[in-house]
Amino acid sequence: TQLLEQSPQFLSIQEGENLTVYCNSSSVFSSLQWYRQEPGEGPVLLVTVVTGGEVKKLKRLTFQFGDARKDSSLHITAAQPGDTGLYLCAGERAGANSKLTFGKGITLSVRP
Amino acid sequence: NAGVMQNPRHLVRRRGQEARLRCSPMKGHSHVYWYRQLPEEGLKFMVYLQKENIIDESGMPKERFSAEFPKEGPSILRIQQVVRGDSAAYFCASSRESGNEQYFGPGTRLTVT
Repeated sequence: TQLLEQSPQFLSIQEGENLTVYCNSSSVFSSLQWYRQEPGEGPVLLVTVVTGGEVKKLKRLTFQFGDARKDSSLHITAAQPGDTGLYLCAGERAGANSKLTFGKGITLSVRP
Repeated sequence: NAGVMQNPRHLVRRRGQEARLRCSPMKGHSHVYWYRQLPEEGLKFMVYLQKENIIDESGMPKERFSAEFPKEGPSILRIQQVVRGDSAAYFCASSRESGNEQYFGPGTRLTVT
């Protein structure tokens, strides 16, 4: 069983549309990160959330950490082709010695 | 402002050979983590090291795999007697302190023929 479930797995939308994707778990995390990964490259850190209910914005991207620190969402406003990529969430559990647990990712394609 | 460096970017090995993957952390970072990404799978933690110390190797296969982070030089992930199932992308990440944000390198893509 996957500790962090990301949904949907695949999403194809038109430029200009809004979207929300999710990262869910039954476990509590002390922090949660979102990364974006391009083909053939390493994950690039977008944001870290640590407080339950926390909301962070990065231009057109809005990240929220659930109140119970078990889940997170990523909302993109007016998606652009440059947003295309694999979006990974990763959580650090308390006492886990800094190791990150990753979801399988969400493949987003934004059509021009 | 160099990020995490990994080399080689691509490595091809025949079954039974050894693979050595190198990782230089970001400047000022003394904590290194290795992850493996298999096709259709998420990244899986392998090992966490500080200079000259292995902190957590709970994700490392017991056989054939080893990792080090010497006082001088890059961190090395070593796979002996590689098998086809070792083919994957191996990523290194670094952080300034334990529990800090981890920044990833571009990865080494290992292909075992």
